[in-house]
Amino acid sequence: TQLLEQSPQFLSIQEGENLTVYCNSSSVFSSLQWYRQEPGEGPVLLVTVVTGGEVKKLKRLTFQFGDARKDSSLHITAAQPGDTGLYLCAGALAGNMLTFGGGTRLMVKP
Amino acid sequence: NAGVTQTPKFRILKIGQSMTLQCTQDMNHNYMYWYRQDPGMGLKLIYYSVGAGITDKGEVPNGYNVSRSTTEDFPLRLELAAPSQTSVYFCASSYSEKETQYFGPGTRLLVL
Repeated sequence: TQLLEQSPQFLSIQEGENLTVYCNSSSVFSSLQWYRQEPGEGPVLLVTVVTGGEVKKLKRLTFQFGDARKDSSLHITAAQPGDTGLYLCAGALAGNMLTFGGGTRLMVKP
Repeated sequence: NAGVTQTPKFRILKIGQSMTLQCTQDMNHNYMYWYRQDPGMGLKLIYYSVGAGITDKGEVPNGYNVSRSTTEDFPLRLELAAPSQTSVYFCASSYSEKETQYFGPGTRLLVL
């Protein structure tokens, strides 16, 4: 059982659709990061959220940190083929290192 | 800055062979990590280091060894390659344990 559970594991949608992916845990995190990994490359940081209830926007991507800091969501509006990739959440427990979730693999078809 | 560099990009090993995966970072980060990523899966931590001369096991250390003689370099050693070690290996570094991790481009390893 992973400390961070991501859902769904796989998502295939058409260009222009909206989607939300989730990152859940029973633990409280001091901060949570979202990374995107494109095929053949390493993960790259998208955003870090640190405050319960925090919402951050990055163009068509909206990230939310749960009020209790146990969960987070990533919402993509009007998905584009360039959004295709593996989305990983990573949480920092107090005094410990980042722990990565299992990832959500997104495919956006033209 | 080159960031995190890894060599080689791709390697095929026979069962029982050994090899070293190289990782170098030029950001003066104290923390360095080795992960493996199996097809369609997330990242599993193999080993990490909090500074030169200090290393510790991660989630899946069996079959691997590491060393950290300098701040910049963090090589990963496979002593007796097994088919189960077929994977993509990523090295990463960060300023501290909770800060952003910067990843290298990965080494794709195939053990036959």
